[in-house]
Amino acid sequence: EAQVTQNPRYLITVTGKKLTVTCSQNMNHEYMSWYRQDPGLGLRQIYYSMNVEVTDKGDVPEGYKVSRKEKRNFPLILESPSPNQTSLYFCASSLAGPRMGEQFFGPGTRLTVL
Amino acid sequence: AQRVTQPEKLLSVFKGAPVELKCNYSYSGSPELFWYVQYSRQRLQLLLRHISRESIKGFTADLNKGETSFHLKKPFAQEEDSAMYYCALSNAAGNKLTFGGGTRVLVKP
Repeated sequence: EAQVTQNPRYLITVTGKKLTVTCSQNMNHEYMSWYRQDPGLGLRQIYYSMNVEVTDKGDVPEGYKVSRKEKRNFPLILESPSPNQTSLYFCASSLAGPRMGEQFFGPGTRLTVL
Repeated sequence: AQRVTQPEKLLSVFKGAPVELKCNYSYSGSPELFWYVQYSRQRLQLLLRHISRESIKGFTADLNKGETSFHLKKPFAQEEDSAMYYCALSNAAGNKLTFGGGTRVLVKP
């Protein structure tokens, strides 16, 4: 089944403990992106990748890192998580950039930083 | 900077009544506008995009560049339309997608 998967789906951690949220797609998509969703603010773009080894900042990149070593994977890294990074995170992918077509979204990862 | 505003956080309508979700945007270039929808326990998914100019599930949206709006309309709401709706804008470079804050639609029987 064509889809975007994220792991873990739920995570509770403590301030400063490094974590990685994985994202994988099996549709051979060029474009991948991470968003965070907060009440009243909608989804805000954290980082995106137009292709392998090509990543760039979105609107709220502070405190996050990404890498794109393979086409199918786009992990989100929080080197030193803080409570203000408690949020619902979505990974998405598309054949080309978001202007060209539909973004396919993962199921979301709910992160709580204590 | 690009920005998308959805002024209504919640819209509650009765089944069979018309529904209109407002979306206003701010962008100096040529925007591409979308509506995404998230039904309960489902993933966020594309509902429609302005360039395709099609009606999906009875919904239509018209891009008004003069008013910088992209309102979503349906003449007769159904209970299955209850969901969270997001208006989104892609920049001219095609690498960024900016979402509005979302509007929750509740269709009552």
